[in-house]
Amino acid sequence: DTGVSQDPRHKITKRGQNVTFRCDPISEHNRLYWYRQTLGQGPEFLTYFQNEAQLEKSRLLSDRFSAERPKGSFSTLEIQRTEQGDSAMYLCASSTSPGRVTGNTIYFGEGSWLTVV
Amino acid sequence: QKEVEQDPGPLSVPEGAIVSLNCTYSNSAFQYFMWYRQYSRKGPELLMYTYSSGNKEDGRFTAQVDKSSKYISLFIRDSQPSDSATYLCAMSKDSGAGSYQLTFGKGTKLSVIP
Repeated sequence: DTGVSQDPRHKITKRGQNVTFRCDPISEHNRLYWYRQTLGQGPEFLTYFQNEAQLEKSRLLSDRFSAERPKGSFSTLEIQRTEQGDSAMYLCASSTSPGRVTGNTIYFGEGSWLTVV
Repeated sequence: QKEVEQDPGPLSVPEGAIVSLNCTYSNSAFQYFMWYRQYSRKGPELLMYTYSSGNKEDGRFTAQVDKSSKYISLFIRDSQPSDSATYLCAMSKDSGAGSYQLTFGKGTKLSVIP
């Protein structure tokens, strides 16, 4: 499978614990994104990497959230001191640099479901 | 007002029907328009991508963009039960910060009844 891979797919944690999600993008894609999706809503942008550089962070990304992409390949998203409001699906996506023909077609992984109890 | 509006449905149609899904948007800077299909508890799957105005067809799916009305549509012909899913519209800008950030609608939940 050469799509975007996310791990774990499901995580149940107690409030106050830290959790980390991993994403492996499509191999030739230099751009990597994290989105968050809650029930009944569309995905919302969290952050974006071009290679190893984190170029944009949404104001949705509080200080408890940190994302890294140390070698420009896989990425991790860590949530510290989880709160019940963090319960959501965390989606990773990747793409190449946009072009006139391809635009910015972004491919998503299957998501990592987080439940904070 | 949200930048992208999409009726969440649910929409229920009989098998074989033509389905029409649509979104409206308020930001004229959007240039790229996409439709994603999302099955329950799965990630969004890219279905169609369109740049600027016009139509694009791929098998049973047709995407239309009317930038003058800020309105996009997805038509599904000969709908099948396997088309039952949530359909998300998404759009992005041509350049600058918005070129890498997709703005999504809420999604329309479609059920195709055999």
